[in-house]
Amino acid sequence: QKEVEQNSGPLSVPEGAIASLNCTYSDRGSQSFFWYRQYSGKSPELIMSIYSNGDKEDGRFTAQLNKASQYVSLLIRDSQPSDSATYLCAAVQGAQKLVFGQGTRLTINP
Amino acid sequence: ETGVTQSPTHLIKTRGQQVTLRCSSQSGHNTVSWYQQALGQGPQFIFQYYREEENGRGNFPPRFSGLQFPNYSSELNVNALELDDSALYLCASSLGTGGEGGYTFGSGTRLTVV
Repeated sequence: QKEVEQNSGPLSVPEGAIASLNCTYSDRGSQSFFWYRQYSGKSPELIMSIYSNGDKEDGRFTAQLNKASQYVSLLIRDSQPSDSATYLCAAVQGAQKLVFGQGTRLTINP
Repeated sequence: ETGVTQSPTHLIKTRGQQVTLRCSSQSGHNTVSWYQQALGQGPQFIFQYYREEENGRGNFPPRFSGLQFPNYSSELNVNALELDDSALYLCASSLGTGGEGGYTFGSGTRLTVV
């Protein structure tokens, strides 16, 4: 079992719709979780961090964490073509190691 | 406030050679982590440096080594380069080893081994 798993996609969503990205993790000791956006050929850019169970909203982005189910998700409302990128889910493991999933490629169709 | 800077941006090396990659951490950050990202994959943790000491290491052989300097900048050294070392090398800085407040990534160094 991979430490952090994501559906690699590609995920295709029409412009203006909600994009839903999912992630599961294996280490129950993980307490900090992050979503990064990575455009092709660029470095990851932090979008959201979440540390507690429940929802955290920031503009069009909502992160959801369920520690009992070891599940993290990211919702993007009113999707724009500029949201087309690879989204990386990451969990902090062992208090210092950031473990990434393989990324989900998202395409927003105008 | 300056971000994380990495140099060089691109590098081509021959198999068997050695390479040094450099990273300056974001102002106020005292911890630097290095990652290797192969094409189509998520970044893989190489190691982390805190207070000039290695503070955790991923599944990479000893020919991957590093340093952290008093100003929190860092180097990644790779000896005896192999073709599979071709990847994007990312440096991330953070305040604290657990990434409180998140990890900020540099723009990366694209290493090609031929």
